Order: sequence, then C-alpha cells, then structure tokens
Amino acid sequence: DVKVTQSSRYLVKRTGEKVFLECVQDMDHENMFWYRQDPGLGLRLIYFSYDVKMKEKGDIPEGYSVSREKKERFSLILESASTNQTSMYLCASSLFTGQKETQYFGPGTRLLVL
Amino acid sequence: AQKITQTQPGMFVQEKEAVTLDCTYDTSDQSYGLFWYKQPSSGEMIFLIYQGSYDEQNATEGRYSLNFQKARKSANLVISASQLGDSAMYFCAMREDYNNNDMRFGAGTRLTVKP
Repeated sequence: DVKVTQSSRYLVKRTGEKVFLECVQDMDHENMFWYRQDPGLGLRLIYFSYDVKMKEKGDIPEGYSVSREKKERFSLILESASTNQTSMYLCASSLFTGQKETQYFGPGTRLLVL
Repeated sequence: AQKITQTQPGMFVQEKEAVTLDCTYDTSDQSYGLFWYKQPSSGEMIFLIYQGSYDEQNATEGRYSLNFQKARKSANLVISASQLGDSAMYFCAMREDYNNNDMRFGAGTRLTVKP
C-alpha cells in the first residue's frame, strides 16, 4: 500500500514565523503535490514537483515555497506565516504523470496561524 | 473559471438506501479523466473511482458507480446500500490531458448517513 505521511496533524504558529510542513512517500513516486483545502473551495494546488529539485507553481503559490532534495520528501515552506494561511494542507503523490494516474494523499496538516 | 461544480454542500441519506452525489465539469479538451475521492473526518483523501472520457461503460467499484453523461458534462457518483461509514466529504476531480499534472477539485459534498 502507498503511504504518504505528513510531519504534523495539527500545528499552531504565530504571524511572521517560518513554517515547515514535511511530506514523505514510501512508494518511489515521481510526482508530489501540495494542496490547501478550505471550506467551500475544495482543494487548490500550491506547488508540485515531478522530479528531485524540480518544482512548478500551481494555482496559489504566493506566500509559499517548496523544496525537494530527495525523491521521497517534499517540503512546503511558509516564509512568513500570515493569518490567511490558516488552512488544511494536504500532500499527495503519484507514480507518473498521466490522465488515469490517481494521486495518493497524506492525512493532512491543520495549520492555525495566530 | 470554476471547472468542477458540486452543487450539493450537504446531503442526507438513510442507511441502506442509495444516494447520488452530483458533479458537473467544464472542459474543451476531448480527453480527460474524472475522479471521486472520499475524505472521512480523519482527513485523508481516499480514491474511490475513475472514469476516462473515452470509456464507453460507466465505471463501477463495489458499491460505487459513476453515472457518466458526457454530452451533459456530468459525472455523478452513486453509492448503493449506504453504510454509516460512508459519512464523509466527497470530492469530484478532473484531469485534462493537455495539462495532466493539474487535477482540479470541486468544493465537495458532505454526506451524512442516518441510522
């Protein structure tokens, strides 16, 4: 079974803090994704990566950066957290890029920025 | 522009009955894939079912089936014989062939199964 893990289930940070969200997958997947989920908006793509050290912006990259130094690990960084980044963050991975390829998700991190 | 529309923020169904969750989509691409995911209160998104735009048959996976009407651009999820464990958020998603790194999600429908 594919396993995608995220470093924290719940996180509370203060405005202006630098925040790291870590995601690890154990199935040698090529692609990894970061989404944020907000009520009424569904999931929105922040960044994705299709290879080590490669990254591409999604729909809402502003205020975020990412790092993929190893194939299994994809980190989301909030350089200076703001209250409007309070959200649920979901990491996902997929084996290939392809129309039929489903994504496998981690359990999510609920981030509260005070 | 919103590509995936789920018009039912919340739905209730009696245990053991069937329920249909609506999903409409917008694309000019001829080749695309449609997905349904379930998100229980634990937070993890669970893949349920996939339908390709060129698939002639409606997809089925156990108690889940997809009522795919291409001309109407709808891909409704049908859950038969609802169980209490089906209570969750359900998301419809689409991936277009021209941009197959990008999966678009609807806003979701919260299904509650009543005993």
